[in-house]
Amino acid sequence: SQTIHQWPATLVQPVGSPLSLECTVEGTSNPNLYWYRQAAGRGLQLLFYSVGIGQISSEVPQNLSASRPQDRQFILSSKKLLLSDSGFYLCAWETTSGRNEQFFGPGTRLTVL
Amino acid sequence: AQSVAQPEDQVNVAEGNPLTVKCTYSVSGNPYLFWYVQYPNRGLQFLLKYITGDNLVKGSYGFEAEFNKSQTSFHLKKPSALVSDSALYFCAVRDYGRDDKIIFGKGTRLHILP
Repeated sequence: SQTIHQWPATLVQPVGSPLSLECTVEGTSNPNLYWYRQAAGRGLQLLFYSVGIGQISSEVPQNLSASRPQDRQFILSSKKLLLSDSGFYLCAWETTSGRNEQFFGPGTRLTVL
Repeated sequence: AQSVAQPEDQVNVAEGNPLTVKCTYSVSGNPYLFWYVQYPNRGLQFLLKYITGDNLVKGSYGFEAEFNKSQTSFHLKKPSALVSDSALYFCAVRDYGRDDKIIFGKGTRLHILP
């Protein structure tokens, strides 16, 4: 069966520090991968998605970037964190046939101080 | 462009009563519709989906949803609420044949009162 992992689970970082969040998927090949941010336990904001290695689409211009160095690995990064980067970051995957449900990881709670 | 609306920020239901969480959508093609549940500090869990076929879809934990094309709605229902159903619920839509991105509603917080 497929599983999706995210780490770390929680992170407290000072303003201006770098960020690296990792997401890996097991039990499937060539998934579509997504990064979302959720503020204050409400709606999801799509940040990035990827349909293959090295292929990244950005939905919202901002302080973050994403990379997909391997088929089942998706990384969210920042060179300098802002206070507004605080939130709950969720990674999700779906099959490449698309048009079906996404499966979410457990999330990373990021607090920028 | 596709969109999805959850008109209620919060729904309160007494334990044992039926519950409904509302969702309406707008797409230019045929919709794929989904419901997810989120417990505190957890990722979203898939509950059910409508792709085609029967308008009444049954999902996990005794939840079901009814697709109503004329009213462009996909309300989530359960005949008898449990306290453990208290969570944040998200409706989502994909526009089949168009932009394949999935769009999530803003979420409805469900409180089941003991």
